[in-house]
Amino acid sequence: GNSVTQMEGPVTLSEEAFLTINCTYTATGYPSLFWYVQYPGEGLQLLLKATKADDKGSNKGFEATYRKETTSFHLEKGSVQVSDSAVYFCALPTSGTYKYIFGTGTRLKVLA
Amino acid sequence: GAGVSQSPSNKVTEKGKDVELRCDPISGHTALYWYRQSLGQGLEFLIYFQGNSAPDKSGLPSDRFSAERTGGSVSTLTIQRTQQEDSAVYLCASSFRRDRGTDTQYFGPGTRLTVL
Repeated sequence: GNSVTQMEGPVTLSEEAFLTINCTYTATGYPSLFWYVQYPGEGLQLLLKATKADDKGSNKGFEATYRKETTSFHLEKGSVQVSDSAVYFCALPTSGTYKYIFGTGTRLKVLA
Repeated sequence: GAGVSQSPSNKVTEKGKDVELRCDPISGHTALYWYRQSLGQGLEFLIYFQGNSAPDKSGLPSDRFSAERTGGSVSTLTIQRTQQEDSAVYLCASSFRRDRGTDTQYFGPGTRLTVL
């Protein structure tokens, strides 16, 4: 079945540093891929998604490219801010169902 | 508009007691999900409702867990005879369910359950 592996955290960066959070997947076919973010004290919310291979999702300065060759969907941001401190989850649907699989989450802490 | 709401936000109970957790999805959303988020773990799928169809209960960890959705809207997750390992944050999400596997899920703030 489909699965997702996400880099472990926590990740601690200084403001304006470059961010990469790795996410790799195994899947039947080419399912949509998602990044969700959970800010402190808030519920999860969609950050970005890509619905087919080679697509790039982007939002709030974050980007992720759906790479079928490497089965990856790494999250990147060129210059992080303190307000980006949160937990980031990679996710994809299970094959043939409406269930979604979420990674274990990567906590990002950005220092001023 | 209003987002997904959950109540209570926090629940402390004693081992062996029953608890009910409530979720109010976004109006018009036909799909509703329950997840469990344990410390240091990802989201664990529990159950999925879609309209009037039979729910997908494949993620419920034991027969102590049950859920219902009344009138295609509000949902209640019930945990009977709670155990300490049930302590977690229980999240509810809803979506329009337009297309299989592409929907954006909208999450509630969660209910933090602590079983003493």
